[in-house]
Order: sequence, then structure tokens, then C-alpha cells
Amino acid sequence: QQPVQSPQAVILREGEDAVINCSSSKALYSVHWYRQKHGEAPVFLMILLKGGEQKGHDKISASFNEKKQQSSLYLTASQLSYSGTYFCGTEMGSGGSNYKLTFGKGTLLTVNP
Amino acid sequence: KAGVTQTPRYLIKTRGQQVTLSCSPISGHRSVSWYQQTPGQGLQFLFEYFSETQRNKGNFPGRFSGRQFSNSRSEMNVSTLELGDSALYLCASSLAGGHLYNEQFFGPGTRLTVL
Repeated sequence: QQPVQSPQAVILREGEDAVINCSSSKALYSVHWYRQKHGEAPVFLMILLKGGEQKGHDKISASFNEKKQQSSLYLTASQLSYSGTYFCGTEMGSGGSNYKLTFGKGTLLTVNP
Repeated sequence: KAGVTQTPRYLIKTRGQQVTLSCSPISGHRSVSWYQQTPGQGLQFLFEYFSETQRNKGNFPGRFSGRQFSNSRSEMNVSTLELGDSALYLCASSLAGGHLYNEQFFGPGTRLTVL
């Protein structure tokens, strides 16, 4: 089951904040976040395992709400370099890895000066 | 450390032909996953290999197949190409892809165009 990302697109001015959500109808084992710039390969941002742990990476952080089967990616004080398409990838199940990541359709983030 | 390499980078084929794409993972990485990326569907999982064994596969027809060699290099094959197979095919490698599903490193992709 493909996770649902929202919003589909967002436009920010430099310095503004954004939240990207990723929801699943199935129990999740882990959520992975990647960013892909135009014409480039996706680049890893972070992994969250079930347990609700929040992770951070500079001014980009994420949370995983196990009850809601939802993850949120927080981008604070956005920079021009944050522009790109953000994908969440989910791993289903509760007992461990099933070696399969199912990605959402992506959220296009544009940061303008 | 060299990244993930994919060959060829671009490919043009006609309907009905078959194609083989190659992926060389980062040295020491034993897990290789393949994805199809299209504007409408995003990244779709094809299959994952570890130590020459396919551990999971996505919802693609049997025309899509893959394999992994003892040096962890992987190939994917698409037979009887259809117009809808036009896409960017990405492979990604990780250390083990196991319990703590590790960070995946993506290659630059192979852009396949079917005419």
C-alpha cells in the first residue's frame, strides 16, 4: 500500500517553515525520508523506527506517530538548498524488516529567495 | 569511496525488445534494490536482492526479472518491452537492508525510452 504524502507541492520563501506528512493505512515498521533534486538521484535524510522517536538533521527533523501510522518531516528556516522533491518510504509490518520500501508520490518543495 | 554505478545511463528500445540494466553497488554493500520512477507514480519498488537471493518483490509483471551475482553486482531484465515501461530505473545499495533497514545509496539511474 503506497503511503499518502501531503501536500503534493509547497512554495516557501527562504526562512519559512514547512511540514510534510506521510500517512499509511497499514502498520508501519519504519519510515524513511529522501530528497531528490531535479535530475539527480534521491539522497537519504533519515530513518525512523516505530516507537515514535523523533530524529533531527540540522534544521530538518521528523517524527513518527505509531498510533496514527503517520510520519511528519519538519523543515525549519528553509534554505534555497532545501528545494526538491521529498519522498517518504515505508516498510510495513511489526515483526521486522521485509526488505521492501514503498514510496509515496512525493512532495515538491520550492524555496524562493 | 565510489558510489553506485548504473549502466547504461540512457537506452532507447522499441516495443517487443528486451533490455538488461546493470548496477554495481558501493563496495561492501550486499543489498541491492531496484525501483522504477515515472512522473505519475513516483518511485515504485521492483525487487531487492541480498547475497544472490531475492528477498522481496513489488507488483510488477513477470516480464521484469533480476538477479544478483556473488560480487553483489545486480542486473535487471525487462522482456517484451511496452511503451509504459519508459521510465527512469534506479538501483540503490545498502550494507545489509536488514533489521535496521539501512540508508540506501541511489545510483544515477538508467533512462529507458521505449518507442
